[in-house]
Amino acid sequence: DGGITQSPKYLFRKEGQNVTLSCEQNLNHDAMYWYRQDPGQGLRLIYYSQIVNDFQKGDIAEGYSVSREKKESFPLTVTSAQKNPTAFYLCASSIVGMIREKLFFGSGTQLSVL
Amino acid sequence: QKEVEQNSGPLSVPEGAIASLNCTYSDRGSQSFFWYRQYSGKSPELIMFIYSNGDKEDGRFTAQLNKASQYVSLLIRDSQPSDSATYLCAVQGGRRALTFGSGTRLQVQP
Repeated sequence: DGGITQSPKYLFRKEGQNVTLSCEQNLNHDAMYWYRQDPGQGLRLIYYSQIVNDFQKGDIAEGYSVSREKKESFPLTVTSAQKNPTAFYLCASSIVGMIREKLFFGSGTQLSVL
Repeated sequence: QKEVEQNSGPLSVPEGAIASLNCTYSDRGSQSFFWYRQYSGKSPELIMFIYSNGDKEDGRFTAQLNKASQYVSLLIRDSQPSDSATYLCAVQGGRRALTFGSGTRLQVQP
């Protein structure tokens, strides 16, 4: 089955630690995205990538980093610079970037601080 | 002013009634409009999209777009308890990624 796989489902971060959230898709989609969702809030864009080896900052990129070495993979690293990382993180993909393209979402990763 | 605004709710309707969810947006250049449904702890799922002014119907769902008023709405006919969820309005302008509203929580009372 084609889809987007996020792992792990739950992740705990210690003070000063970097953690990496995995996102893999087998939909052959060009564009991939990372969104953050806080309780009772909508989704806010962290980073997006329309092509391999290229990515752009979204609205809340500070304290996060990404890479896009393969079309299928778009991992997100939450660095120690992100002081309030507790949130639900959603990875998404679309056929091409931006215009009129529907997003397909993974099942999400809940990140909490120990 | 937020780019995409929704009433957080909860919006409570009896089973079988019509639920009306509203969304306004600030960017007049916005071109594409989406409604996602999100159950608690789950990822959003696309239920409707609309690009042109007017109404678009799909089963029990109708999306309405008025670009002059910068307004998009979602009507759910014959509401069912299984429709109880948070509905997210998302707007896309130019070459930007989707901008989401904070969502409206819908409760359908049996």
